[in-house]
Amino acid sequence: GDSVTQMEGPVTLSEEAFLTINCTYTATGYPSLFWYVQYPGEGLQLLLKATKADDKGSNKGFEATYRKETTSFHLEKGSVQVSDSAVYFCALKGSYIPTFGRGTSLIVHP
Amino acid sequence: GAVVSQHPSWVICKSGTSVKIECRSLDFQATTMFWYRQFPKQSLMLMATSNEGSKATYEQGVEKDKFLINHASLTLSTLTVTSAHPEDSSFYICSARDQRTSGHEQYFGPGTRLTVT
Repeated sequence: GDSVTQMEGPVTLSEEAFLTINCTYTATGYPSLFWYVQYPGEGLQLLLKATKADDKGSNKGFEATYRKETTSFHLEKGSVQVSDSAVYFCALKGSYIPTFGRGTSLIVHP
Repeated sequence: GAVVSQHPSWVICKSGTSVKIECRSLDFQATTMFWYRQFPKQSLMLMATSNEGSKATYEQGVEKDKFLINHASLTLSTLTVTSAHPEDSSFYICSARDQRTSGHEQYFGPGTRLTVT
């Protein structure tokens, strides 16, 4: 079945550091790929998505590129802020229901 | 963008009582809604798929008699935790599928924190 593997956290960075959160997947067919963000005590918000190979999703300075050859969708940001502290979930959606990774906690210190 | 609300945002109840959680799509109709459960520092676990006008589809291992789901209208699904016990304490999140979008985007509610004492 479909699965998503994310790097384990927490990831701890200083403000303005470069962020990478790795995500790889296994799926049949050509799924859409997503990154969701969950701030403390809140539900999930869609951060960005990509629907086909080589697509780049971007939002709020975050980027991720759909790499079919490496089955990856790594999340990157050039300069993180304290307000980016949250849990980030990588997800894929094949035909119907999304499959989520375990989430990666990001902590950004001033 | 599409908005999904949940009510209540948090609830504390005594063991043995039942609790109802509402999930509403505010500006779109959703024939399909999903209920998830999230344990601390863990990912979302899909509990069931709620279909308007028909019975919910439960994931393996989820007790349908304990977690009652009703999707009576195109904008409202409810999850009732019956005879709640402390082990049911968790964060419950719903999502609604917007069929207007080409990718059938899912929008998530803010979650409901249930604490059973």
